[in-house]
Amino acid sequence: RKEVEQDPGPFNVPEGATVAFNCTYSNSASQSFFWYRQDCRKEPKLLMSVYSSGNEDGRFTAQLNRASQYISLLIRDSKLSDSATYLCVPLSGNTGKLIFGQGTTLQVKP
Amino acid sequence: DADVTQTPRNRITKTGKRIMLECSQTKGHDRMYWYRQDPGLGLRLIYYSFDVKDINKGEISDGYSVSRQAQAKFSLSLESAIPNQTALYFCATSDSGTGGVVGELFFGEGSRLTVL
Repeated sequence: RKEVEQDPGPFNVPEGATVAFNCTYSNSASQSFFWYRQDCRKEPKLLMSVYSSGNEDGRFTAQLNRASQYISLLIRDSKLSDSATYLCVPLSGNTGKLIFGQGTTLQVKP
Repeated sequence: DADVTQTPRNRITKTGKRIMLECSQTKGHDRMYWYRQDPGLGLRLIYYSFDVKDINKGEISDGYSVSRQAQAKFSLSLESAIPNQTALYFCATSDSGTGGVVGELFFGEGSRLTVL
């Protein structure tokens, strides 16, 4: 099993839609989680950090389910500018290394 | 000026050549990472370093070596480049937690390497 797994998509949604992605992780020692956003051919940038059960920032909500070892990202009221690839990264508590999922691509259509 | 600078930004080379990608940072972070990105495979960790004397293998270290010459510099070498090392390479830095968010990575703009 891969350390971090994401559905690559693409998820094609209309503007205004609500969309959710899941990310499963295998290392139960992971304590912190991060969602990064990557635009085409650009470097990833941090979107959101999750240290407990979840986090909310405007239209973006991250929820952590430790029992099932997955973290989700919910985007409400999708905008065209949300089109990007979203990368999940658990912080491995016992090694400190950061392993990325392969990313989920979102395309928001007018 | 960028906080994390990678050089070169683009490089085309031939099979068997030695290549070095350099990364320097002005963020004062002690942790540095090298990733490669291939279409459909996301970012894969090559090597990482938590201090000047600390080097750790990542997911795909075979065929690569690194050097942490100073806290601010972390270079990646391909001793004998091969075509399947054609990829986009990213350097990243992270704070260890003394002042910033542990785990927040700051990336360079990437180095696109093509091996013919």
